[in-house]
Amino acid sequence: ETGVTQTPRHLVMGMTNKKSLKCEQHLGHNAMYWYKQSAKKPLELMFVYNFKEQTENNSVPSRFSPECPNSSHLFLHLHTLQPEDSALYLCASTPTISADTQYFGPGTRLTVL
Amino acid sequence: ILNVEQSPQSLHVQEGDSTNFTCSFPSSNFYALHWYRWETAKSPEALFVMTLNGDEKKKGRISATLNTKEGYSYLYIKGSQPEDSATYLCAFLNTGNQFYFGTGTSLTVIP
Repeated sequence: ETGVTQTPRHLVMGMTNKKSLKCEQHLGHNAMYWYKQSAKKPLELMFVYNFKEQTENNSVPSRFSPECPNSSHLFLHLHTLQPEDSALYLCASTPTISADTQYFGPGTRLTVL
Repeated sequence: ILNVEQSPQSLHVQEGDSTNFTCSFPSSNFYALHWYRWETAKSPEALFVMTLNGDEKKKGRISATLNTKEGYSYLYIKGSQPEDSATYLCAFLNTGNQFYFGTGTSLTVIP
């Protein structure tokens, strides 16, 4: 167990649905990250939050909307997704934004129909 | 887009064999190189964080080396066991604090 949990583990949604992914870390870390892994591709960084403030948005489409209400929780709100958004979405945390080891959650497998 | 290449993509070895795989990354703006082990349906877990050229790290039967001048790192597993079966990911961190992951090497150890 890495101390980072993600819910749900699997999600199937239609293109008109609105859903949210949740990430929680019990490590006292201050930086949290969303990654996307599509089939046969490397992990792609989507968003970075440091002390609840967004510090990075890697040109992610606005149909993905992150929220970080406190340092322990990170959400990814999804609306009007496309089938090509089907992927594994991983959350990670680090004590600070630095070269620290990333602590990953197990991911949410998302399928968009 | 910055390329981090891992080879081979997949590998099958017999229990007891030793094996190694490669992570190639840009040799400029290097800050750190991470190795992660990712078992199916679980979270990726950190193996090593390497920062210095010539670094060599070891954890049990697994070790890693780093060459920042030529831009590569090797991961070695001695006497592979079935529980070593996993995908091994490397991640290059540059001086701009940006992580770039490879696609991983999938290792299957056959009992």
